[in-house]
Amino acid sequence: SQKIEQNSEALNIQEGKTATLTCNYTNYSPAYLQWYRQDPGRGPVFLLLIRENEKEKRKERLKVTFDTTLKQSLFHITASQPADSATYLCALDEGGGADGLTFGKGTHLIIQP
Amino acid sequence: EPEVTQTPSHQVTQMGQEVILRCVPISNHLYFYWYRQILGQKVEFLVSFYNNEISEKSEIFDDQFSVERPDGSNFTLKIRSTKLEDSAMYFCASSERRRTSGNTIYFGEGSWLTVV
Repeated sequence: SQKIEQNSEALNIQEGKTATLTCNYTNYSPAYLQWYRQDPGRGPVFLLLIRENEKEKRKERLKVTFDTTLKQSLFHITASQPADSATYLCALDEGGGADGLTFGKGTHLIIQP
Repeated sequence: EPEVTQTPSHQVTQMGQEVILRCVPISNHLYFYWYRQILGQKVEFLVSFYNNEISEKSEIFDDQFSVERPDGSNFTLKIRSTKLEDSAMYFCASSERRRTSGNTIYFGEGSWLTVV
């Protein structure tokens, strides 16, 4: 089964800078890769989805890249703000008829004013 | 914006008791899911449900668990004979179409279950 590696240590970024989070996976490339935001004690909130044939996806200040050769996705938040502080989860969609998403443990992002 | 609602937000139960967690998915959604997250751990898939039957279940979803859509709006997760290790946040989720088509799923805020 797939394993997902996200840097579980907290990532501290100065306000206004670009935050870059990494998601690495093993085995075969998923059909889709998704990023979620999770605040303490809350449910995951969908942010972006990128397909295996897409290199990059953008939404406002968010950008996701997907490199199937490196088996890696990068998640960028530009012009970061303290309100962006949260845990960001990478999730793989196995495709092939599987319904369940496989989540990483997430990276805790702290944007310092 | 439509949202998935879950009750209760927090439940404490004694080991060996049965609990029922309730969810109201988004009204026009056809696929429903339960996930769980043990404190400090990753979110884990339990089960998916479509057309009044289980579509897929994970290894975690053993005979201790069951799901039901008792009426047109509610979706429930029953945990029988709870164990200490069942303590976790349980998330209900729903999607308009089958998730494997790259469809977004929407999560509820979770039900925190504490087994003592």
